[in-house]
Amino acid sequence: NAGVTQTPKFQVLKTGQSMTLQCAQDMNHNSMYWYRQDPGMGLRLIYYSASEGTTDKGEVPNGYNVSRLNKREFSLRLESAAPSQTSVYFCASSVWGDEQFFGPGTRLTVL
Amino acid sequence: GDSVTQMEGPVTLSEEAFLTINCTYTATGYPSLFWYVQYPGEGLQLLLKATKADDKGSNKGFEATYRKETTSFHLEKGSVQVSDSAVYFCALVTDSWGKLQFGAGTQVVVTP
Repeated sequence: NAGVTQTPKFQVLKTGQSMTLQCAQDMNHNSMYWYRQDPGMGLRLIYYSASEGTTDKGEVPNGYNVSRLNKREFSLRLESAAPSQTSVYFCASSVWGDEQFFGPGTRLTVL
Repeated sequence: GDSVTQMEGPVTLSEEAFLTINCTYTATGYPSLFWYVQYPGEGLQLLLKATKADDKGSNKGFEATYRKETTSFHLEKGSVQVSDSAVYFCALVTDSWGKLQFGAGTQVVVTP
């Protein structure tokens, strides 16, 4: 079992560029999540998908979109990157209402 | 709404010292409680959990007891090692609101 995998591990973008962060899980979990982690801010929820076919905004959704491609995969898209989106992004999955399992993270720098 | 408050860091300790990180929570309903650990440059890993009052979670020498009367879930370890240097997050989740609510995290630095 690979658990939760994320690609890429590192990315540098210029302001205005777009990119998609990929996440996949092999634990048959219904729920998936995207977080960002910034120094001194803890983890903040960007979007989540309680089950396949549904997505909802979290605490900080502006500037992002998500797609729940199937039960395994949940992608995060930055349409027009801004320096304020420089962060470490974590994907997680869970059975709804239970512990979450996290991926290794994507370190994104927007110049 | 639900919230988690944990002590601010950094907490600096010598090897073999006793570690306590305080965590208190506010929640409607009956939450499950978790401690996650994040080692430098890595993602979060579940350290331990407790799902009902008076449950004790334990792992790798760490322990925490779910205290409903004081709405607390303090993390303890009797003798820390340098390898315990990490950021520790307290978190809760409820069935009706299945998203994790995290505390701000506490950095722990253990020196030889």
